[in-house]
Amino acid sequence: DAGVIQSPRHEVTEMGQEVTLRCKPISGHNSLFWYRQTMMRGLELLIYFNNNVPIDDSGMPEDRFSAKMPNASFSTLKIQPSEPRDSAVYFCASSFGSLISGQGYTFGSGTRLTVV
Amino acid sequence: GENVEQHPSTLSVQEGDSAVIKCTYSDSASNYFPWYKQELGKGPQLIIDIRSNVGEKKDQRIAVTLNKTAKHFSLHITETQPEDSAVYFCAALHGSSNTGKLIFGQGTTLQVKP
Repeated sequence: DAGVIQSPRHEVTEMGQEVTLRCKPISGHNSLFWYRQTMMRGLELLIYFNNNVPIDDSGMPEDRFSAKMPNASFSTLKIQPSEPRDSAVYFCASSFGSLISGQGYTFGSGTRLTVV
Repeated sequence: GENVEQHPSTLSVQEGDSAVIKCTYSDSASNYFPWYKQELGKGPQLIIDIRSNVGEKKDQRIAVTLNKTAKHFSLHITETQPEDSAVYFCAALHGSSNTGKLIFGQGTTLQVKP
């Protein structure tokens, strides 16, 4: 398996532009998580899905952020409009079934977003 | 709300020495505690975990201990090597094992000096 695939690896955009981050989870995994990593706040959970349904989006900073999971093999995180404070590394992770009896989260390599 | 505190934020040790990273959690219902290692430019990777029904688990040079009463758990790395240098994150499960979420600590940057 190729693991969790995120694209793009790096994104530089101007303030006010729309940014779309993409994630392909491991085939067969039924939970998907979007995290944001910054020096100041560490790893923050933004939103997660179980069987393609959003379970908890309380970590989404504001209405500028939205996430979708149209099917089991694809998810997007969109920021519109982007702001410099959105600059961070965004990670997608997936898991299967019970965390306690399973293999934990598998993280992608992340998308480094820079908003100038 | 749920919270995980991790200490220290940075740790520097000589090769061969031991390293200890400590975490506390707030959700008394948490029953699963994984540790992740993040190398430069990569996503975090699971290295060891512990369930609440055991107090200690060991895997070669790494071990985790759990004190549920104190809501405290620790990662111990013995005989450290330069390749152990990375950022380490502890986490605690909040919610059910099937639909819950991991809450991560702030991370510890471990530097092992040759």
